[in-house]
Amino acid sequence: QKEVEQNSGPLSVPEGAIASLNCTYSDRGSQSFFWYRQYSGKSPELIMFIYSNGDKEDGRFTAQLNKASQYVSLLIRDSQPSDSATYLCAVQGAQKLVFGQGTRLTINP
Amino acid sequence: DTEVTQTPKHLVMGMTNKKSLKCEQHMGHRAMYWYKQKAKKPPELMFVYSYEKLSINESVPSRFSPECPNSSLLNLHLHALQPEDSALYLCASSPGPQYQETQYFGPGTRLLVL
Repeated sequence: QKEVEQNSGPLSVPEGAIASLNCTYSDRGSQSFFWYRQYSGKSPELIMFIYSNGDKEDGRFTAQLNKASQYVSLLIRDSQPSDSATYLCAVQGAQKLVFGQGTRLTINP
Repeated sequence: DTEVTQTPKHLVMGMTNKKSLKCEQHMGHRAMYWYKQKAKKPPELMFVYSYEKLSINESVPSRFSPECPNSSLLNLHLHALQPEDSALYLCASSPGPQYQETQYFGPGTRLLVL
């Protein structure tokens, strides 16, 4: 079992809709969870971080964490073509950040 | 300001060359990282420096040699690389190495080994 799992996609969402990205992790002791956005050929850019169970909202982005289910998600409301990118879920392990394989998201105008 | 800078942006080198990648941050962060990223893969950790000391080496071949001259600078010295070492090399920093610390990435150096 991979430590951090994401559906690689591609996930295709119409413009203006809600994009839902999901991530599961195996280490029950994990405390910190991050979402990075990476455009093709660019470096990862931090979108959100979440430490506590529940929802955390920042503009059009909402991160959701459920530690009992070992599940973290990212919702993007009112999706825009500029949101088309690969989204990396990252979980803080014992000594390092563990990344999922990334989900490629395409927003269709 | 959450800026990490990296130079050069692009680098082409032969297998017998010696080159260096440079990373700089002025956020007062005490942990700095080197990652390697191949196409369509997530970043892969190479080295971690914590308070200017090497704290993690992920079994990286000796042809990659990191150096942390001070708390703001991180170098990666390259020697006798192989074509399969061609990748995007990312530097990141975090306020500290604690488990909750957020890592901020630089723009990367795209390396091509011929």
